[in-house]
Amino acid sequence: QKEVEQNSGPLSVPEGAIASLNCTYSDRGSQSFFWYRQYSGKSPELIMSIYSNGDKEDGRFTAQLNKASQYVSLLIRDSQPSDSATYLCAVENYGGSQGNLIFGKGTKLSVKP
Amino acid sequence: DAGVTQSPTHLIKTRGQQVTLRCSPKSGHDTVSWYQQALGQGPQFIFQYYEEEERQRGNFPDRFSGHQFPNYSSELNVNALLLGDSALYLCASSWCGVNTEAFFGQGTRLTVV
Repeated sequence: QKEVEQNSGPLSVPEGAIASLNCTYSDRGSQSFFWYRQYSGKSPELIMSIYSNGDKEDGRFTAQLNKASQYVSLLIRDSQPSDSATYLCAVENYGGSQGNLIFGKGTKLSVKP
Repeated sequence: DAGVTQSPTHLIKTRGQQVTLRCSPKSGHDTVSWYQQALGQGPQFIFQYYEEEERQRGNFPDRFSGHQFPNYSSELNVNALLLGDSALYLCASSWCGVNTEAFFGQGTRLTVV
């Protein structure tokens, strides 16, 4: 059974701090990794994709990938109250088709003003 | 450019009934994947359609079926509804290239009573 594991949280950080979200996955063959943000009652919104080991930065967001450790993380710098949401880690199902994603249960982030 | 659109947004059905959910993919996308998201869980892959055929299927019973039309839009059908089918149903579209990203529609909230 292929799994994606995330701490469910809630993770609480003060406004302006760095929020660090972590994810591990079980399938060593996985090649594509994604972070989605989901506000309560809404659908997931893609915020980052990463395919190679190392860091990928986009504005206040940095995704980090370590395939040897089967570990993906998302850093949110200068956290804002509007970042309060559930963050879903998704891993492409190796051996499956493009777009066949395995999701973690999500980490709930709360940014306090 | 319209994103992924789903209809209806909310639906209430009685146990044993059948339901059809609809999805129009993002412009330029040719692949549609359907997910079920129960409360407090990450989305679970139901199946994926490409070139009007089911390309991949997750661990869901045959009561869940689908279709893709020549314009790439798709339908999800669920027969003999159970109370446990109550969930947010998400459609994600992507294109069939390498390192593709999946974008979600706003979802259909199905309640089975």
